Amino acid sequence: GAGVSQSPRYKVAKRGQDVALRCDPISGHVSLFWYQQALGQGPEFLTYFQNEAQLDKSGLPSDRFFAERPEGSVSTLKIQRTQQEDSAVYLCASSLKAGGGDTQYFGPGTRLTVL
Amino acid sequence: GESVGLHLPTLSVQEGDNSIINCAYSNSASDYFIWYKQESGKGPQFIIDIRSNMDKRQGQRVTVLLNKTVKHLSLQIAATQPGDSAVYFCAESRTGRRALTFGSGTRLQVQP
Repeated sequence: GAGVSQSPRYKVAKRGQDVALRCDPISGHVSLFWYQQALGQGPEFLTYFQNEAQLDKSGLPSDRFFAERPEGSVSTLKIQRTQQEDSAVYLCASSLKAGGGDTQYFGPGTRLTVL
Repeated sequence: GESVGLHLPTLSVQEGDNSIINCAYSNSASDYFIWYKQESGKGPQFIIDIRSNMDKRQGQRVTVLLNKTVKHLSLQIAATQPGDSAVYFCAESRTGRRALTFGSGTRLQVQP
């Protein structure tokens, strides 16, 4: 498919477990974003990559959250020692250009439930 | 799947009517605006965008209006169809900040 894909689509974790969420952006897209969407709310920015460089991580809520994009394509968002408040949908988006100001295309999201 | 936006403002319209969804933004430095549609269990889907040097832009059945004086954005959907039922979010960004800031969303319900 030509769109952004994410896996897994659903993840259930026990409190304290580590999880890893994967994003495959649209081929050739320079920019990659992670957002967190709580139930009933709009997505909130977590972090931004331009190719392999993480240029903005101002939205990461704690040092338990870590993201990487080592080869400038696939990205992984890792959450260590998950807490119940981490339960949300994690959305990945990509855009063609660097620097922002162009359309961000979203994947279907990973719904994380922490018990 | 679980619904997006269980407690969002809801706009209910009849099939075939025109819909207008409104959004207010707070940052006068914002210069790029997007409307997204989100169906239950899916990610946001791009509808239309507009830059701050414009006040109107039209797409297929959709029109976005931007009023920078009062920091207001609206999405007009012509001849609304049942498939338009979803939650609609406006989002904004500004030069130097790549991330989008999303509004709180409006649920559109189309009655057949």
